[in-house]
Amino acid sequence: TQLLEQSPQFLSIQEGENLTVYCNSSSVFSSLQWYRQEPGEGPVLLVTVVTGGEVKKLKRLTFQFGDARKDSSLHITAAQPGDTGLYLCAGPRKGSNYKLTFGKGTLLTVNP
Amino acid sequence: GAGVSQTPSNKVTEKGKYVELRCDPISGHTALYWYRQSLGQGPEFLIYFQGTGAADDSGLPNDRFFAVRPEGSVSTLKIQRTERGDSAVYLCASSLRLPSGTYNEQFFGPGTRLTVL
Repeated sequence: TQLLEQSPQFLSIQEGENLTVYCNSSSVFSSLQWYRQEPGEGPVLLVTVVTGGEVKKLKRLTFQFGDARKDSSLHITAAQPGDTGLYLCAGPRKGSNYKLTFGKGTLLTVNP
Repeated sequence: GAGVSQTPSNKVTEKGKYVELRCDPISGHTALYWYRQSLGQGPEFLIYFQGTGAADDSGLPNDRFFAVRPEGSVSTLKIQRTERGDSAVYLCASSLRLPSGTYNEQFFGPGTRLTVL
């Protein structure tokens, strides 16, 4: 079973701080996706990383895929209250390009 | 340019009752997925449709759960003899069909929160 473990589970910080959240697995994934989910909404895709060692930037968010494609990280610079939400990582299960395995998520709260 | 819509947004039912949850995918998306998200968990895959047929229903927890997509667009998730453990948010997603081996972005709806009393 391919599991994705996310840490920390909860994170509460002040506006302007930097943070990093992690997504780890003992299995290799062909790609990993990061989603943000707000209360009462479905997950919204932020980025897909495909190549080992890849780094992608989305404004203040930096995503990195591990060289071995078993882990990923999300770094947020100068967090804002609008960044508050549940950050989920997900990857397609081995042998499938559609059946996603999700981590439990990191619940981020950015206080003004 | 409407996204994935799901109805109802909330459903409260009693143990043992039958419920139907509806999903309207993005127009033109041939692939449709159902997920279940329990409190404090990430979404869990239930079933995948390509067109009208269920291409993969391996995530359905038992035979009380069934889903249909008769015309290849709207889908209905049906749960018989509901149990308290079925309480969760049921998410629907849709995507374009890409060539085999290519990951395709799934667009999620807001979900239906099901509460079984």
